[in-house]
Amino acid sequence: NAGVTQTPKFRVLKTGQSMTLLCAQDMNHEYMYWYRQDPGMGLRLIHYSVGEGTTAKGEVPDGYNVSRLKKQNFLLGLESAAPSQTSVYFCASSYLGRVNGYTFGSGTRLTVV
Amino acid sequence: GQQVMQIPQYQHVQEGEDFTTYCNSSTTLSNIQWYKQRPGGHPVFLIQLVKSGEVKKQKRLTFQFGEAKKNSSLHITATQTTDVGTYFCAGLIQGAQKLVFGQGTRLTINP
Repeated sequence: NAGVTQTPKFRVLKTGQSMTLLCAQDMNHEYMYWYRQDPGMGLRLIHYSVGEGTTAKGEVPDGYNVSRLKKQNFLLGLESAAPSQTSVYFCASSYLGRVNGYTFGSGTRLTVV
Repeated sequence: GQQVMQIPQYQHVQEGEDFTTYCNSSTTLSNIQWYKQRPGGHPVFLIQLVKSGEVKKQKRLTFQFGEAKKNSSLHITATQTTDVGTYFCAGLIQGAQKLVFGQGTRLTINP
């Protein structure tokens, strides 16, 4: 099993450009999450989904959109990138979000210049 | 908002010394989980505690969940260089659908 796969692993964007980060999981998990990690800030939840076709805002949702059209995929979009969105982005998934631990992807390092 | 506070933020020890990180929540938790993130890596699930007063061990790591289910600790005995990384606690607030992560404790070790 691959677990949680994130693509791309690295990306450099210019201010104002758009991009989509893809997260795919093969564990049949119901719940999926997008986090950003900045130095000294820990993990901050951007958006999450409790099932196919549903999404909800997390702690820091501004400037991001998400979609969960298929159970195994969770997409994070940046419509107009800003330097403040330079960060490492982690996707995670879990079964039911209650009993089991989260499985994290290996991350996407995004730099906005 | 609902928060999970973790201290200390940083800890530097000599190899062989013990290490402890503490986690405190403002509200009662359904469970608490612990994760380890190696430098340059991603968080990896270590363990989950569910019961009041629960204590679990993994080799040199001891995890505790407080009686009131509002605090937790991770203790590492006789640290080794392989223990280097950031340790996160994450609490599930009762009735919530997602974990609330602590800020993490970054452990560095002098060999």
